[in-house]
Amino acid sequence: RKEVEQDPGPFNVPEGATVAFNCTYSNSASQSFFWYRQDCRKEPKLLMSVYSSGNEDGRFTAQLNRASQYISLLIRDSKLSDSATYLCVVLKGGSQGNLIFGKGTKLSVKP
Amino acid sequence: EAGVTQSPTHLIKTRGQQVTLRCSPISGHTSVYWYQQALGLGLQFLLWYDEGEERNRGNFPPRFSGRQFPNYSSELNVNALELEDSALYLCASSLTPGPPGDTQYFGPGTRLTVL
Repeated sequence: RKEVEQDPGPFNVPEGATVAFNCTYSNSASQSFFWYRQDCRKEPKLLMSVYSSGNEDGRFTAQLNRASQYISLLIRDSKLSDSATYLCVVLKGGSQGNLIFGKGTKLSVKP
Repeated sequence: EAGVTQSPTHLIKTRGQQVTLRCSPISGHTSVYWYQQALGLGLQFLLWYDEGEERNRGNFPPRFSGRQFPNYSSELNVNALELEDSALYLCASSLTPGPPGDTQYFGPGTRLTVL
């Protein structure tokens, strides 16, 4: 089983749609979780950290289910500028500094 | 505030050569991380430096090495280049090495092509 798994997509959605991405991780000792976005041929940029209680930042909501080892990202009212690859990232349990990246889910928002 | 910077932006080398990539972290960050992103693959953790020491290493051969300087900048060295070393090499920095302050911020990367 891969350490971090994501649906690769692509997700093709119209502007204004709500879209959800899911991610599972295999190491139950993992402590920190993040969503990054990566535009084509650019570096990953932090979108948001994911906290146990769930957290929201504008149109973006992230949730963590430790029991199921599952992380989600919900994007409401999609914009054209949301088109990117979304990376689920987990700090490897018992191994500081070692972020494990999923391969990413590609989102394409169409007019 | 300046972000993480890396140099050079692009590099072309031939098999067997050696290469040095450079990274300057965000001011105040003491931890520097190196990742490799090969085409079609996710980011793979290479190395982590904090306060001048190598703290952790990913599953890469010893020909991948590096160091961190007193000003917290870092170099990644790759010896005996192989074709499969062609990738985007990303450097990241963080304020503290462990949770909860371990959010990593990435530089623009160095794209290495090995011919």
